Amino acid sequence: GESVGLHLPTLSVQEGDNSIINCAYSNSASDYFIWYKQESGKGPQFIIDIRSNMDKRQGQRVTVLLNKTVKHLSLQIAATQPGDSAVYFCAENQSNQFYFGTGTSLTVIP
Amino acid sequence: EAQVTQNPRYLITVTGKKLTVTCSQNMNHEYMSWYRQDPGLGLRQIYYSMNVEVTDKGDVPEGYKVSRKEKRNFPLILESPSPNQTSLYFCASSLVRNSPLHFGNGTRLTVT
Repeated sequence: GESVGLHLPTLSVQEGDNSIINCAYSNSASDYFIWYKQESGKGPQFIIDIRSNMDKRQGQRVTVLLNKTVKHLSLQIAATQPGDSAVYFCAENQSNQFYFGTGTSLTVIP
Repeated sequence: EAQVTQNPRYLITVTGKKLTVTCSQNMNHEYMSWYRQDPGLGLRQIYYSMNVEVTDKGDVPEGYKVSRKEKRNFPLILESPSPNQTSLYFCASSLVRNSPLHFGNGTRLTVT
């Protein structure tokens, strides 16, 4: 199977600071990537996606960067808020299957 | 409201007793899939379906069956559950293959 991993299992940031969550993927044939947020007791929620023909995509307070050279994906959250506390994980799509990372637990300190 | 609905949310059963977890989506999505989530392992794909009557194995299909007779429904069947299938299960759907997956709220299964 594919290997999608995260660089850090936990991340703590002060409220108002920017957060950066990283993800490494292993298959250069993957052509679609998604970031998800999962709160306790809930299903994963879509945050933002990016296709392999792009290297950056911005949403509301979030930016995803894709570096295909080193097979690296990052999620930047601007002005992190307490409601952003959750587990974040990336997913890659290759050959009709999605492969997910294990997640980074983000804690926002008020 | 656009959603993926799984039932039941919680299920406790005994080894060998057949069970079905239902999944339904109301978004007319073509792609549907099942995942299990275990601590430290993340989400792993069990089965997926590109469209009606088309299903394929994911990374961990052993001990599971699925069917896709209608576009909106994608039930997960455990013919003879075993304790190693104790896990949190998620159903998801997307419009097409390379589009965002929408997840249900999960089914926590315990097999004793």
